[in-house]
Amino acid sequence: DAKTTQPNSMESNEEEPVHLPCNHSTISGTDYIHWYRQLPSQGPEYVIHGLTSNVNNRMASLAIAEDRKSSTLILHRATLRDAAVYYCILRGSSNTGKLIFGQGTTLQVKP
Amino acid sequence: GAVVSQHPSRVICKSGTSVKIECRSLDFQATTMFWYRQFPKQSLMLMATSNEGSKATYEQGVEKDKFLINHASLTLSTLTVTSAHPEDSSFYICSAVYGGNTEAFFGQGTRLTVV
Repeated sequence: DAKTTQPNSMESNEEEPVHLPCNHSTISGTDYIHWYRQLPSQGPEYVIHGLTSNVNNRMASLAIAEDRKSSTLILHRATLRDAAVYYCILRGSSNTGKLIFGQGTTLQVKP
Repeated sequence: GAVVSQHPSRVICKSGTSVKIECRSLDFQATTMFWYRQFPKQSLMLMATSNEGSKATYEQGVEKDKFLINHASLTLSTLTVTSAHPEDSSFYICSAVYGGNTEAFFGQGTRLTVV
């Protein structure tokens, strides 16, 4: 699975939008872009995933660049409970659930 | 959503002893389960892939004789850390997937401390 690059950390103010970037310049045509987050002392949880088109769900939005070499996870209104490490992971279409985690972005949310 | 439960959530054991960690999918049958290890302030590192009824596939550098994985049913996988040493102290996390679902479901993790 191709590698992703994320900033080590980001800060946000509560109730403001947060844009978490991810670069994946070596992405292949069949790689899905997945985002997971890990709250302190917990296992990761699924946030969102996409292939080519932008995606929205109750937790977040995923904006995918036209060339698919980068993507952005958007939290529309950050809350204190969104403080976590966010991981951007590429997963091949034939992948059976195996996830290779990078370092992720630690998001701090200030009240 | 699907729920994966790990037990115990915390365990302290003496050096040289073995400890077993359970990973259960509570409301679905998991075709595959995965075991990860996470040291403080580091990312998750995949240890092994576990399929029901077959031997686990270990990642490079992970000792299969030290980290015994048993996947006896579609809802239960166990990780046994044998002859534990302080350097095995870590946060162990399992995940499970089913069918063609693209989402992996994670347990809450097990904090192992070897003294």
